Amino acid sequence: GAGVSQSPSNKVTEKGKDVELRCDPISGHTALYWYRQSLGQGLEFLIYFQGNSAPDKSGLPSDRFSAERTGGSVSTLTIQRTQQEDSAVYLCASSTSGSATDTQYFGPGTRLTVL
Amino acid sequence: AQSVAQPEDQVNVAEGNPLTVKCTYSVSGNPYLFWYVQYPNRGLQFLLKYITGDNLVKGSYGFEAEFNKSQTSFHLKKPSALVSDSALYFCAVKGSGTYKYIFGTGTRLKVLA
Repeated sequence: GAGVSQSPSNKVTEKGKDVELRCDPISGHTALYWYRQSLGQGLEFLIYFQGNSAPDKSGLPSDRFSAERTGGSVSTLTIQRTQQEDSAVYLCASSTSGSATDTQYFGPGTRLTVL
Repeated sequence: AQSVAQPEDQVNVAEGNPLTVKCTYSVSGNPYLFWYVQYPNRGLQFLLKYITGDNLVKGSYGFEAEFNKSQTSFHLKKPSALVSDSALYFCAVKGSGTYKYIFGTGTRLKVLA
């Protein structure tokens, strides 16, 4: 079956511009996660959505970052006024229910480069 | 606080030899442990996980891992390495009642022909 998909695969933008990254989770998965992978910070959690519950935004690094999940499926991560330190690979994952024993399945990522 | 350590940035092994990629963890309560592999320009691919039960867990592509509670370790192993196993490997942990991974820093495995 189809896995997690992300678009675009690569995004190059200029400092100060806004960007939107999209994630399409595995069908039927109610939990969705965003992580960021960067050279200096490794893999870090950004945000978590589970069903209709309020998202856990505790990992978002600043108020320039926001995310939404429409209809319990597709999610969009938005970065406003991008900075060079935002350059990283943004990974989306989904799992069946969000329990601690769940396996998270990752998409291929979006590589963001801020010039 | 939860944490994961992968003490080796890189592991080199000859093709056909056994390989081990080390992982130790610190978590309150029962740990749930995972291994992922990442090939260049790809996302993370799930290899195996330990939730409960048998300490030896078998996963994809011939990999296995052994949970050792006393040593708080979850080392990844394979009896005979392939050149195609060369990739970046991540260990991750979740504690009871949590949903987000804490990842190790990753270990680059290089299998030499």
